[in-house]
Amino acid sequence: QLQLQESGPGLVKPSETLSLTCTVSGGSISSSDYYWGWIRQPPGKGLEWIGTIYYSGSTHYNPSLKSRVTISLDTSKNQFSLKLSSVTAADTAVYYCARVDGPYDYWGQGTLVTVSS
Amino acid sequence: DIQMTQSPSTLSASVGDRVTITCRASQSISNWLAWYQQKPGKAPKLLIYKASSLESGVPSRFSGSGSGTAFTLTISSLQPDDFATYYCQQYNNYSWTFGQGTKVEIK
Repeated sequence: QLQLQESGPGLVKPSETLSLTCTVSGGSISSSDYYWGWIRQPPGKGLEWIGTIYYSGSTHYNPSLKSRVTISLDTSKNQFSLKLSSVTAADTAVYYCARVDGPYDYWGQGTLVTVSS
Repeated sequence: DIQMTQSPSTLSASVGDRVTITCRASQSISNWLAWYQQKPGKAPKLLIYKASSLESGVPSRFSGSGSGTAFTLTISSLQPDDFATYYCQQYNNYSWTFGQGTKVEIK
């Protein structure tokens, strides 16, 4: 059974870079069958697509976040990562990683990241 | 960017009711439309993909329809476990956009 687990700091200071990692078990991120993605959800609000990466390293980002987002792969660790720069309080959210098979069919449990000094 | 608009934002219903949620895309997305259910503190769960295909393990009381720009999610007979928030999502042309969500509450 495929499992995804987010990890990273739960508190980030304004203007700094948010960094999260998603560890995948029960499947390989090197598979050409799937993309891998990040989604976030501010407290009490809806879901927002952040970006998606393919096994080749090809990426697609939400235009509203594109200037601040980098998603990368570490195939040796079966992980993919998110970096979001110049964060503000508006970036406070639960961040989810997921497998992308068109829609998102497997999700991590999510991790809350708070932006505060 | 493709915008997704769901209606209603909140829906009050009783166990056994037939419930319909609508999702509209700002431009045609063919049938590249998914529906998710989310409960408080949990990750979303995929219910429907390609507008009308039921994800494995999802009860048959859930169904989806539509193509182009107009889509619906129907729950044929609402069960206690179905009180949750539902999101539509388009996945056309390497972009993924969610609707704002519909909360299904107990009447």
